[in-house]
Amino acid sequence: AQSVAQPEDQVNVAEGNPLTVKCTYSVSGNPYLFWYVQYPNRGLQFLLKYITGDNLVKGSYGFEAEFNKSQTSFHLKKPSALVSDSALYFCAVRDTALRGKLIFGQGTELSVKP
Amino acid sequence: EAGVTQFPSHSVIEKGQTVTLRCDPISGHDNLYWYRRVMGKEIKFLLHFVKESKQDESGMPNNRFLAERTGGTYSTLKVQPAELEDSGVYFCASSQVRGISYNSPLHFGNGTRLTVT
Repeated sequence: AQSVAQPEDQVNVAEGNPLTVKCTYSVSGNPYLFWYVQYPNRGLQFLLKYITGDNLVKGSYGFEAEFNKSQTSFHLKKPSALVSDSALYFCAVRDTALRGKLIFGQGTELSVKP
Repeated sequence: EAGVTQFPSHSVIEKGQTVTLRCDPISGHDNLYWYRRVMGKEIKFLLHFVKESKQDESGMPNNRFLAERTGGTYSTLKVQPAELEDSGVYFCASSQVRGISYNSPLHFGNGTRLTVT
C-alpha cells in the first residue's frame, strides 16, 4: 500500500543551525513528492516538489529537499534555520496509482529556538 | 487573487447534530479536494471533485458524510449525524489544471476545526 512516513513527531533546532526533517515513502510507480508547511491557524502552504530531474530541489523560504530513490526518502533541509521556520511540516506523495490524490505523512513539528 | 476560503473556521457541535462546512476554491480551479486531519495524525484524503463531478470519493469514511459541488464552484461537506470521532480539522484544496495533473501543487484553505462533544 502507498504510504508516507515522517519518523519524527518533533524536531528541535537552534537558530542558525542546519535543519533536516525526514520523510520516506512507499509507492508503486513513479513518485511525485511534495513538502507543505502549516503555520499556526493557517492552511497548508506549498514549499517544493520533486517530479523528475535533479535530485536536489529548491523551494520557498530557502528550503530544499533531496530525493533519494534507493532509500525512498525525500528529506527536507535548510542550511540555517530561522525562528520563523517554526511550524508543522508535511511530506506528501502523489502517484498515478492514487488517481491524483495526495498521501500525507503525519507531520513533523519543527521548533527553532533563538 | 483570493485564496481558498473555508467557512466556518471553527465549529463546536454536540454528538448527533448536523454541521455543514463550506469551501470556496480559487476562481477557475476545476479540481477541488477535501481532506481531514484527526488530532496528531496524518492528513487523510476524503474526496475529489472535477467541476461538479465526484472524481474519487474513496476516502469518505461513511454515509454520514455528504459532499456536494453544485455548479462546479463552491463545495459543501455535511456531516449528519456527527459523532465524536468526526472531530478534527477539515481542509479544502483546489488546483487549476483540468482533470488530474500529478505534478501540480494544491492550494489549501485554512481549514475548519470541528469539535464534536
